[in-house]
Amino acid sequence: QSVLTQPPSVSGAPGQRVTISCSGASSIIARNTVNWYQQLPGTAPRVLIFADNQRPSGVPDRFSASKSGTSASLVISGLRSEDESDYYCASWDDSLNGPLFGTGTKVTVL
Amino acid sequence: EVQLVESGGGLVKPGGSLRISCTASGFDFSSFNMNWVRQAPGKGLEWVASISVSSTYIFYAASLRGRFAVSRDNPTNSLYLEMNRLRAEDTAVYYCARDRYSGSYSHLDYWGQGSLVTVSS
Repeated sequence: QSVLTQPPSVSGAPGQRVTISCSGASSIIARNTVNWYQQLPGTAPRVLIFADNQRPSGVPDRFSASKSGTSASLVISGLRSEDESDYYCASWDDSLNGPLFGTGTKVTVL
Repeated sequence: EVQLVESGGGLVKPGGSLRISCTASGFDFSSFNMNWVRQAPGKGLEWVASISVSSTYIFYAASLRGRFAVSRDNPTNSLYLEMNRLRAEDTAVYYCARDRYSGSYSHLDYWGQGSLVTVSS
């Protein structure tokens, strides 16, 4: 079964830049677009980035993402306290016929 | 305003059945594929099932196929998940989510608040 691996946690001080990686052994990410979801404590997930690097309206531009080969990255520039949350990458898995979610990363603002 | 509201969660004994619902409003429900995603306590997100606009295409996570059944009723803007032979490991918050499909990409652009299903004796 395919897995999208993310670091369990990343942290940074307010104003710093943090990067969350998302990598898969198979070519899921290479073949399909990557989405990123933010899940604030006690709430439902919301889409943060779709189609590799597109921000929905209302998402601050300090969130950006990129993809290269079988890996993708989410960057939070100018970290703020309200960014303390869980973040998940996701990409379509043809064998699943559905989205495969990454393992999730908890961002802590120091 | 797009809204997805789940209902029907609760406590069920192992081996039991439960049907949860999701009522949509604020958009043309019949034009969007829909999904169920679950999250076990303290764990990550797991896709459960998807259903196309006319229920023509239905897909399930392999581990759930045969026990779970997704359906929809477009005239009432309702999405359902019938869960049978429930196990303790099915304990999770179940989210319904709308699929925004453009032809070249797909993402879950709106999510409900979730419905907690607890399987325990």
